[in-house]
Amino acid sequence: DARVTQTPRHKVTEMGQEVTMRCQPILGHNTVFWYRQTMMQGLELLAYFRNRAPLDDSGMPKDRFSAEMPDATLATLKIQPSEPRDSAVYFCASGGGTGSDFSYGYTFGSGTRLTVV
Amino acid sequence: GDSVTQMEGPVTLSEEAFLTINCTYTATGYPSLFWYVQYPGEGLQLLLKATKADDKGSNKGFEATYRKETTSFHLEKGSVQVSDSAVYFCALNPIKAAGNKLTFGGGTRVLVKP
Repeated sequence: DARVTQTPRHKVTEMGQEVTMRCQPILGHNTVFWYRQTMMQGLELLAYFRNRAPLDDSGMPKDRFSAEMPDATLATLKIQPSEPRDSAVYFCASGGGTGSDFSYGYTFGSGTRLTVV
Repeated sequence: GDSVTQMEGPVTLSEEAFLTINCTYTATGYPSLFWYVQYPGEGLQLLLKATKADDKGSNKGFEATYRKETTSFHLEKGSVQVSDSAVYFCALNPIKAAGNKLTFGGGTRVLVKP
């Protein structure tokens, strides 16, 4: 089965350090989403891309978060500097593409569990 | 704007019990509706979907029917197992939203005891 691959699965870092999370979407999918999940806030949409172009990043704290798609096989989410309140599970999801429609929803990766101490 | 409301958990029940998780939505037009499931330590997985009124989605013994008249998409399973313990998310995909991003409910945690 095709899957969305996220790395690393777990990351522990000290406050102030830079963190980069990576996502390999399913080949052929043209839309990539970044979500953050916490106990308090639930599932939050941070940003998403269509054909590598950012469509909406209004859910991201702009001063420290950035999201990019250097190419169609890689999406990155960067936090600099990281803070303890950024501790969460970050999910990438992909969907869509030529000939497909969104009635099929998205495919999620397994997530990156980030702990900032 | 579009929204999804689902019952708050946790829902605790015994093995072989009947499970219902309520989900109602607000959207313009005719959205596609989904249920996702998240097992401990994993990402969300698509459980079932329905794309038009009166459609019934089903998978792994779970069912949900798209009810346009009541704007609902309740999830049901006749006999749950311990392995069904998870968090369940109802979601919609509006037809005309830019980017077709999903709108999720808050999730309902289900705990099935032996």
